[in-house]
Amino acid sequence: GAGVSQSPSNKVTEKGKDVELRCDPISGHTALYWYRQSLGQGLEFLIYFQGNSAPDKSGLPSDRFSAERTGGSVSTLTIQRTQQEDSAVYLCASSFADREKIFGPGTRLTVL
Amino acid sequence: AQSVTQLGSHVSVSEGALVLLRCNYSSSVPPYLFWYVQYPNQGLQLLLKYTTGATLVKGINGFEAEFKKSETSFHLTKPSAHMSDAAEYFCAVRATGGFKTIFGAGTRLFVKA
Repeated sequence: GAGVSQSPSNKVTEKGKDVELRCDPISGHTALYWYRQSLGQGLEFLIYFQGNSAPDKSGLPSDRFSAERTGGSVSTLTIQRTQQEDSAVYLCASSFADREKIFGPGTRLTVL
Repeated sequence: AQSVTQLGSHVSVSEGALVLLRCNYSSSVPPYLFWYVQYPNQGLQLLLKYTTGATLVKGINGFEAEFKKSETSFHLTKPSAHMSDAAEYFCAVRATGGFKTIFGAGTRLFVKA
């Protein structure tokens, strides 16, 4: 596609459930990033993938959060045993090397 | 390590007035600096960026920003606000040669008729 796509656009879940958020980056982009945007907060870096290198996971807030990128393309962010404080918009972005990041529209997660 | 501080979580201006959104950064190495805009229910769009060279950078929609190393600032300006400028604006910094971009908390711009 022409841009970064994310699915679902909205996800409502119950506390304690696991959720998976998907990101389809722009074809050919080597770098992929996940950010979290909470109400009234800026963008919080979570994780990034660059080519075949080991991902930088330094922003993941707890071991309930994990992400993978299969085949250097699609990425899935998984949150296990969701908590209410996980409610936020999760943004994915991709770029070619260190060029401009292109952001997706985000997934709005609500944990009840 | 890099960090970004945006002064003012909310800024309100009248239509036609000057827009000034403040951003200060800290970086142990020469930084790349960015301004992004987020319209309601949309993703972030790059407004402008500074990497090297001219310190006054022009972006889309009439916005510009000036990199001032001595003040560690990268304030965003627009001479005349338009209603369509109402959005949230994020300043961001990245270390030269690095990939991790650090974002500020954002400033929501309101434009009054």
